[in-house]
Amino acid sequence: EPEVTQTPSHQVTQMGQEVILRCVPISNHLYFYWYRQILGQKVEFLVSFYNNEISEKSEIFDDQFSVERPDGSNFTLKIRSTKLEDSAMYFCASSAFPGIGGQPQHFGDGTRLSIL
Amino acid sequence: GESVGLHLPTLSVQEGDNSIINCAYSNSASDYFIWYKQESGKGPQFIIDIRSNMDKRQGQRVTVLLNKTVKHLSLQIAATQPGDSAVYFCAENMPDSSYKLIFGSGTRLLVRP
Repeated sequence: EPEVTQTPSHQVTQMGQEVILRCVPISNHLYFYWYRQILGQKVEFLVSFYNNEISEKSEIFDDQFSVERPDGSNFTLKIRSTKLEDSAMYFCASSAFPGIGGQPQHFGDGTRLSIL
Repeated sequence: GESVGLHLPTLSVQEGDNSIINCAYSNSASDYFIWYKQESGKGPQFIIDIRSNMDKRQGQRVTVLLNKTVKHLSLQIAATQPGDSAVYFCAENMPDSSYKLIFGSGTRLLVRP
């Protein structure tokens, strides 16, 4: 069964450093997403991406964050200058073209980001 | 991918019994709903979905019920197995958005052997 893959599984970074989290969505999917989950809290939407541009972003997704689809298979999340509060699990998800009424989003197993 | 929280409601069931997990969603305009299962160290795993023009949908051993009047979703798991132990999240999607999902806070299901 096709799946979303994320690398690395765990990233430890010093505060202020840049990190890039990588994702390979399911190959025939067209919509891509990043979510995060701070320990003990809900999964929160960060950003959606379609047709090489951001469709929607949350308040969390400020100027420190950016996304890119550098080629036909990868989807990346960059945090330019990490803060302690960026420590969380980051999940990538993808869905087929949603159409009317939505389509399931399929999630990767996440990258645990730890900021020291 | 573990959703560990002191405040997660927990449902404990005997193996073989049926489980019912409930969720109150927030937006009356939401038109699409998904149940996800999250095991320790994993991402959310799709279980079943339902659109707002339905009030019930069945899968293999799972049933989702939707009550739009009171903005309530439930997930029923028949003949619960130890492998069903996980945290379960409902998620809603509103129309006229980029199909972002809004997640509930989750319920931990523990299956006693």
